[in-house]
Amino acid sequence: AQSVTQLDSQVPVFEEAPVELRCNYSSSVSVYLFWYVQYPNQGLQLLLKYLSGSTLVKGINGFEAEFNKSQTSFHLRKPSVHISDTAEYFCAVSHMDSSYKLIFGSGTRLLVRP
Amino acid sequence: DGGITQSPKYLFRKEGQNVTLSCEQNLNHDAMYWYRQDPGQGLRLIYYSQIVNDFQKGDIAEGYSVSREKKESFPLTVTSAQKNPTAFYLCASSLAGGTLIQETQYFGPGTRLLVL
Repeated sequence: AQSVTQLDSQVPVFEEAPVELRCNYSSSVSVYLFWYVQYPNQGLQLLLKYLSGSTLVKGINGFEAEFNKSQTSFHLRKPSVHISDTAEYFCAVSHMDSSYKLIFGSGTRLLVRP
Repeated sequence: DGGITQSPKYLFRKEGQNVTLSCEQNLNHDAMYWYRQDPGQGLRLIYYSQIVNDFQKGDIAEGYSVSREKKESFPLTVTSAQKNPTAFYLCASSLAGGTLIQETQYFGPGTRLLVL
């Protein structure tokens, strides 16, 4: 069965510092990978996705993620964060043979301090 | 502007009452989804529909029902059988329901359901 693990429930960081949000998945078949962001009391917005090809994926708002098949990871990074990046971040995975179904991690709250 | 709308933003349910959450999209998407979000947890799939007049149960369908009579609408009813309905409910849609390559799921702003 598929599962997604986001080990850090909260990541505090100072403004303009770099950040990495960790995501690991378990699956016996090939997967698609996603990062979504959720601002308070709002829906989810897609940051980036990996379907195939280059393992380094660039998304919106200066975020990027790297797919590492051997480590089954898809960590999200940003070299310099802003106060406005404070939000909940969700990693999600789907199987290529049932790609309608997204399995979500429990989320990581990024808290950017001035 | 194209997008997904959910109403109401907040909904209060009395014990034993059925309530219906609205979800409308004007993206011309075939597939629509309902998720439940609880504090400290990720989203869990309640129901999904890949085409009009057809829908399937997700992982936590018990106590919920849906209909898909129109392409743009996918209402969710939380029945009295759902004993713990307090949560944030998110509706999403995608172009073709993952029948080809993975399409992005686009989310609405959500409805927060509270029990009185």
